[in-house]
Amino acid sequence: SAVISQKPSRDICQRGTSLTIQCQVDSQVTMMFWYRQQPGQSLTLIATANQGSEATYESGFVIDKFPISRPNLTFSTLTVSNMSPEDSSIYLCSVGQGGAGANVLTFGAGSRLTVL
Amino acid sequence: GQQLNQSPQSMFIQEGEDVSMNCTSSSIFNTWLWYKQDPGEGPVLLIALYKAGELTSNGRLTAQFGITRKDSFLNISASIPSDVGIYFCAGQQGAQKLVFGQGTRLTINP
Repeated sequence: SAVISQKPSRDICQRGTSLTIQCQVDSQVTMMFWYRQQPGQSLTLIATANQGSEATYESGFVIDKFPISRPNLTFSTLTVSNMSPEDSSIYLCSVGQGGAGANVLTFGAGSRLTVL
Repeated sequence: GQQLNQSPQSMFIQEGEDVSMNCTSSSIFNTWLWYKQDPGEGPVLLIALYKAGELTSNGRLTAQFGITRKDSFLNISASIPSDVGIYFCAGQQGAQKLVFGQGTRLTINP
């Protein structure tokens, strides 16, 4: 399965600022997924990032708040804009395994954001 | 939308005990996955199930895809301290996105 590197692994941010999270994959993948995991909660899909097209956002998530870039088949960024304490979460990048296991996701270690 | 009910939410057991957790849904799924998340890490896939009735093992872990396609369970035998973590089930229907359960937090007393 793919190896995913996320940066930063954690950060403490001030209210009103924005932070960009980077996700690097060691192989080319068609779709990359961004998830949010709020404290003590499960994983919620934010958006699907396709190379060469706009990201597809899930209900409750908008591009202005979570802009995503997907410049090539191995890299994506997620920006959390105008942060508030409610944005304190772990943000996870993931990719499908491909082939018969396309629906099996591999996750990065996550980026833990704390907003003060 | 689709929802998965995962239980129990938390478990406190003694080392060496067996563990059982399950996920149920009102919807039919054609894939069931079980993940484990350690503190400070992303979820790691434990077992993937693709057929109703399928029973799959991975070391001390055993998972089954329910015959009705609406449930799955995960068993851990002879628990050890490194089994501590949060276990998530996830289901997929067709080409739709994965839906995750709320997680089962496992704590083991040595």
